[in-house]
Amino acid sequence: DAKTTQPPSMDCAEGRAANLPCNHSTISGNEYVYWYRQIHSQGPQYIIHGLKNNETNEMASLIITEDRKSSTLILPHATLRDTAVYYCIVRVAGSGNTPLVFGKGTRLSVIA
Amino acid sequence: EPEVTQTPSHQVTQMGQEVILRCVPISNHLYFYWYRQILGQKVEFLVSFYNNEISEKSEIFDDQFSVERPDGSNFTLKIRSTKLEDSAMYFCASSETQTGLSGYTFGSGTRLTVV
Repeated sequence: DAKTTQPPSMDCAEGRAANLPCNHSTISGNEYVYWYRQIHSQGPQYIIHGLKNNETNEMASLIITEDRKSSTLILPHATLRDTAVYYCIVRVAGSGNTPLVFGKGTRLSVIA
Repeated sequence: EPEVTQTPSHQVTQMGQEVILRCVPISNHLYFYWYRQILGQKVEFLVSFYNNEISEKSEIFDDQFSVERPDGSNFTLKIRSTKLEDSAMYFCASSETQTGLSGYTFGSGTRLTVV
């Protein structure tokens, strides 16, 4: 699976949009971009995934650049409960039990 | 919303003892996983399990570890002869599909402390 690069930490004011970048310049055509987060020491939580089109769900939006070499996770109105480590993971579709591999992620601090 | 349930939430054991960590995956999920996270470090993959056998395992998952699905609902991780360095949060996860496109659902973890 392609490697991802994320900033180690970011701050965001409560109520503002949090934009978390991820670089995956070596992504291949059959690899999806996944985002998970981990709040304190809880289990990771699935947020969203996409292949090449932008995606939106009740939690977030995922913007993938046209060349697919980078993406941005957007939390439209960040709250204090969104403070967590956010992981961007690239994974081949249809890869059976090839596991998710977590990097160090971005530690997002939402500030009141 | 369906959940992955892990028990116990915290386990303290003496070095050299055997421990069994228990998980109840989501009922219609077919793929099961164990991960661990040593304090302050990354979430690390241990093993994946499908159709009553191990599909993939990491180099961490050595002969000290074993997994089992003893009945239709439980999924267990056994650690034989625990070591101090086995102290970590252990997370169970499950997914519905082979591709995992629907995402993994993780449990809230078992904190294992080896003393």
